Amino acid sequence: GQNIDQPTEMTATEGAIVQINCTYQTSGFNGLFWYQQHAGEAPTFLSYNVLDGLEEKGRFSSFLSRSKGYSYLLLKELQMKDSASYLCAVRVQTGANNLFFGTGTRLTVIP
Amino acid sequence: ETGVTQTPRHLVMGMTNKKSLKCEQHLGHNAMYWYKQSAKKPLELMFVYSLEERVENNSVPSRFSPECPNSSHLFLHLHTLQPEDSALYLCASSLTGLATDTQYFGPGTRLTVL
Repeated sequence: GQNIDQPTEMTATEGAIVQINCTYQTSGFNGLFWYQQHAGEAPTFLSYNVLDGLEEKGRFSSFLSRSKGYSYLLLKELQMKDSASYLCAVRVQTGANNLFFGTGTRLTVIP
Repeated sequence: ETGVTQTPRHLVMGMTNKKSLKCEQHLGHNAMYWYKQSAKKPLELMFVYSLEERVENNSVPSRFSPECPNSSHLFLHLHTLQPEDSALYLCASSLTGLATDTQYFGPGTRLTVL
């Protein structure tokens, strides 16, 4: 089976940096995604890692260590609009595009 | 035009009702997906269609019946649901159904079964 863990909730201050961790145990790893989901809205794609290392995209960065089964999403210069749930999802090597999601981390940004 | 749209956004139904959820994608993709998102649970993949053929069915009860008439439209037909089926149902699409593409999600249908 697939096991993906991430913290349930986090709180951070506007302008600060926050790191959201995700650990996974899967068979046939084929990439890790981070999605952002505001309440009542669609999950939106943030980042994709399949090789070890850091991918930077503006204020958001994502890191992957395949040997450790570990990823993190780093958000810099936090803004109030960054308050949302952040979903970690692992793709496994099946015949179909099969994503397994964590429960999501609800981030609250406070002034 | 928004990439992936879903209707209705909210649905309340009794256990004996029959209803359908609709998803439409305007991205020129060839694969579409249904997910279930329950409170405090991970998103669960229900069905995958690639080029209008079902390629994945993750042990979903038969009271959920998907239909994909063309690559732009996906339906989820519901009948004799249970209260535990209350959840957010999300549709997604990707360029192909292969394990190489990013999935793009619709806003979901919030379903309540009474």
